[in-house]
Amino acid sequence: DAGVIQSPRHEVTEMGQEVTLRCKPISGHNSLFWYRQTMMRGLELLIYFNNNVPIDDSGMPEDRFSAKMPNASFSTLKIQPSEPRDSAVYFCASSLFVDSPEGYTFGSGTRLTVV
Amino acid sequence: AQSVSQHNHHVILSEAASLELGCNYSYGGTVNLFWYVQYPGQHLQLLLKYFSGDPLVKGIKGFEAEFIKSKFSFNLRKPSVQWSDTAEYFCAVNGLGTYKYIFGTGTRLKVLA
Repeated sequence: DAGVIQSPRHEVTEMGQEVTLRCKPISGHNSLFWYRQTMMRGLELLIYFNNNVPIDDSGMPEDRFSAKMPNASFSTLKIQPSEPRDSAVYFCASSLFVDSPEGYTFGSGTRLTVV
Repeated sequence: AQSVSQHNHHVILSEAASLELGCNYSYGGTVNLFWYVQYPGQHLQLLLKYFSGDPLVKGIKGFEAEFIKSKFSFNLRKPSVQWSDTAEYFCAVNGLGTYKYIFGTGTRLKVLA
């Protein structure tokens, strides 16, 4: 299995531009999570999907952030318009089911820099 | 309130020294417990986990952790660290039947060669 695949690995964009981050979870995993990691705040859960349905998006910082999961093998996180304070590493993670004792499998992350 | 505390934010050790990283949690129910490791520039990887049974669990690369229920602790240990163990270590708690992990703030370990 190739693991959780995220793209792009690095993204540099100008303030005000739209940014789309992509994630392919492990096949068969029913739960998908988007996290943001910064030095100041550590790991923050942005949104959680179960069976492609958004269950909890309370961690999404603002309306500028949106996430979709059109099918079991693909999810996107979009920021429009982007701002410098959105600069962070964004991780996607998946797990077999919601409280799987096997834990999460994380993707390699997307390092976003907004200038 | 549900929380995970990692008391050591930065740890510096020489190679071959012993390691113990503290993790305490606050959660009113049965939990799964995890330690994740993040090597520089990489993603988080599962180091070890506890969900039931023997409270002393062994993970990859010689790491182990002990769950002490009475102390709400899940400390990570390694008898002899190596330079390649330089990384950030995260403790995490997940309540049974819930989806949300609670991550600690992480401990940055630097091992001097």
